[in-house]
Amino acid sequence: DTAVSQTPKYLVTQMGNDKSIKCEQNLGHDTMYWYKQDSKKFLKIMFSYNNKELIINETVPNRFSPKSPDKAHLNLHINSLELGDSAVYFCASSQGVFTGELFFGEGSRLTVL
Amino acid sequence: ELKVEQNPLFLSMQEGKNYTIYCNYSTTSDRLYWYRQDPGKSLESLFVLLSNGAVKQEGRLMASLDTKARLSTLHITAAVHDLSATYFCAVDMRFGAGTRLTVKP
Repeated sequence: DTAVSQTPKYLVTQMGNDKSIKCEQNLGHDTMYWYKQDSKKFLKIMFSYNNKELIINETVPNRFSPKSPDKAHLNLHINSLELGDSAVYFCASSQGVFTGELFFGEGSRLTVL
Repeated sequence: ELKVEQNPLFLSMQEGKNYTIYCNYSTTSDRLYWYRQDPGKSLESLFVLLSNGAVKQEGRLMASLDTKARLSTLHITAAVHDLSATYFCAVDMRFGAGTRLTVKP
């Protein structure tokens, strides 16, 4: 069983479209995250939820909207996609807030044309 | 704002050589994590350092933490090709820029 799973693994879409990425973890962790990794491999934290509550909301355009229906799921919806949104988006989870190692999903590679 | 800085960002080594990667951070946190990322893959946890003076070793890699200096090191001993990857340190869920290690025969 995959501990942190993301779907889809690849998205190719046109500018202006809307897309969603889903993430699920079966580790029983309380905290989930979205990270963006750009072409230079920089990893930037975007959002974090703890038990369905938003606790980290970094400087991210409001076109990005996370949603956590329960503590095992954290989805990311992106409106009006731009070229600069092209990146790999990683979902991760940890036992606590700012504590414990992160367990990452396989990543979702988004390409905006 | 928390800053996590790694150096070097790129490292090309010969097999059998030793080298150290450095990670400096700007907060008073006493927990630091090292991760490895292979090309095209996700990140996997390497070391969890939870207190000042913590030292962890696995195979040819050894990590240490000095919370007073806000510095962690990842030491590579007698590098082998399989160690080629990008190594990240992280504090409070914020990551350094990564060190892209290439080990050449």
